[in-house]
Amino acid sequence: GQNIDQPTEMTATEGAIVQINCTYQTSGFNGLFWYQQHAGEAPTFLSYNVLDGLEEKGRFSSFLSRSKGYSYLLLKELQMKDSASYLCAYFDSNYQLIWGAGTKLIIKP
Amino acid sequence: AAGVIQSPRHLIKEKRETATLKCYPIPRHDTVYWYQQGPGQDPQFLISFYEKMQSDKGSIPDRFSAQQFSDYHSELNMSSLELGDSALYFCASSFGLAGADTQYFGPGTRLTVL
Repeated sequence: GQNIDQPTEMTATEGAIVQINCTYQTSGFNGLFWYQQHAGEAPTFLSYNVLDGLEEKGRFSSFLSRSKGYSYLLLKELQMKDSASYLCAYFDSNYQLIWGAGTKLIIKP
Repeated sequence: AAGVIQSPRHLIKEKRETATLKCYPIPRHDTVYWYQQGPGQDPQFLISFYEKMQSDKGSIPDRFSAQQFSDYHSELNMSSLELGDSALYFCASSFGLAGADTQYFGPGTRLTVL
């Protein structure tokens, strides 16, 4: 994806916590999304941050710092079913969704 | 709850053939987006429609065209198919251009061009 970076792959242990970072550069910004995508399936919405700060939703939390062009997705109490790709995407000035390449998260027992 | 419906789910075509993919948005959603996702790649935005009018255009090839109908469903028409067109094609819908409820994705159509 253009001007948006996230790690290619991460490995974590079942029951642990993992933080997936995303950095972006854009002149127009209208919010940042995190999606979960299992192989061969459609992305599913996880979170949307438009203001700075932390949004918590169950085991998943998402943080945004607009001044730093930085977001992270925090996953707690990891379960095997959390093994998936996690895509970070932002709305540009035209409300077009610009996607990162995704982070493949591997959960080990 | 009703979700975005895409048909067909799988499609196999040969080079230079045409294909039509259909997308039925969530009821009361007025905006439809089309994405192409190649193997191991991030989704690439193709085109979007709001209230039956094209609202934005991304990396859609000239060989492809799309429209949104009066019932808000959308069709992506693909002609002169190439091997590189093999991909997952996702449709997403939202209410309004800004997608305040964010974009809800359909299950995708897997197109294989032989």
